[in-house]
Parts: sequence; structure tokens; C-alpha cells
Amino acid sequence: AQKVTQAQTEISVVEKEDVTLDCVYETRDTTYYLFWYKQPPSGELVFLIRRNSFDEQNEISGRYSWNFQKSTSSFNFTITASQVVDSAVYFCALSARSITQGGSEKLVFGKGTKLTVNP
Amino acid sequence: DAGVIQSPRHEVTEMGQEVTLRCKPISGHDYLFWYRQTMMRGLELLIYFNNNVPIDDSGMPEDRFSAKMPNASFSTLKIQPSEPRDSAVYFCASSFRFRGDEQYFGPGTRLTVT
Repeated sequence: AQKVTQAQTEISVVEKEDVTLDCVYETRDTTYYLFWYKQPPSGELVFLIRRNSFDEQNEISGRYSWNFQKSTSSFNFTITASQVVDSAVYFCALSARSITQGGSEKLVFGKGTKLTVNP
Repeated sequence: DAGVIQSPRHEVTEMGQEVTLRCKPISGHDYLFWYRQTMMRGLELLIYFNNNVPIDDSGMPEDRFSAKMPNASFSTLKIQPSEPRDSAVYFCASSFRFRGDEQYFGPGTRLTVT
């Protein structure tokens, strides 16, 4: 079955610190997609990035960067020089086919990591 | 585009009452998803539709929950009768495709059943 583990429940940092949010996934599907979403205090879910299983190239977007490593089944997210506006809950998600459920596609979310950036 | 629209944003109801949540997906998106978010269980997929047809409803908790999509621009999630344990934030999301596409989420409906 598909599973996403975000071991860090809460992280608190001071502004300008770098912070890495961990994500470990499990799937038997050979083609899958990984996502990160941000949920600020206002509650909406905002898409940040998508990665497919064939593309292990790391990505950088401004202060955000993502490290995808198939060998360790990890898709970690780093915020450089964090800001107060980065305070949110961040979700890692996996889209893959379920071998045990007739091959149906599922998007499975981790439990989220609550990031608090203090001034 | 206006994004995914959900109504109401907040709903407070008494146990036993019927609750209907509404969603308008982004125009042109073929997939529509209903999720539930609680502290205990996180984000759970309840059901999703492709071209207005329910594809996977294995996440629907029980028969009290039902969802419909009568046309490409409207979907409802109904709970009848509601129970306090149904209290949660319900999100609707849509995407152009499913496999590999990001889903765009609505603002959510916060449901409180007393």
C-alpha cells in the first residue's frame, strides 16, 4: 500500500534559519508522482511542486529546494533563509497505483509538518 | 479562473440533521475529489469523479455519506444523518488529469456537528 511518512510533527525556527522538512514514501508502483503542498493558517492547500519517479533532478525555486532520492525513498524540502510568512503546515503526498486495490490511483498525504518561523 | 469554489465555508448543525456541501471545480478539469481533514486522521480522500462519473468511493466512511456530480461544474457531498464525529474540514479539489497532475483545492468547508 502507498504510504507517506513525515516524521517531524512540528518544527520551530528563527527567521533566516534554513530548515529541511523530511518526507519518506512507500510504494510498489514503478511510476509515481510526489508532491508538496502548503497549508497556511488561513486553511487553503497550495500546490508547491510535483516530481515524477523518473526525474531525480533536484529543483530550486527561489528560497525553496527539493531533494528527491529514490535510493532512500525520500523527497525532502528545504527552505533557505526562512521567513515568518513560511509558517504553515507542509504536506508531502504520493500519487501511485495500489497493487492491492485493483490498480486504482490514489493520492496519499502525509500527516504534515507544522513549521513555525519566529521573528 | 476563479479557482475551486466551495460552499458553505462554515456549517454548524445538530446531530441527525442532513448536511450538503457544494463544490464547483475549475472549468475544464476532468477530475473532482472530495477530501476530509481531521487532526486525528489527517487528509483523507473520500471519493473522486472522472467526467462526472464516480471512480473510487472506497474512502467514503459509511452509507451516511453520499456524493454526486450531476454535471461538469457542480458536485455535492451529503451526510445524512450527521454525527459529531463527522466534524472536520471538507475539501473539494479538481485537476485536469489525475495521474501526475497537481490538484487545486478549494478553501474548504468547516463542518461542526453538535
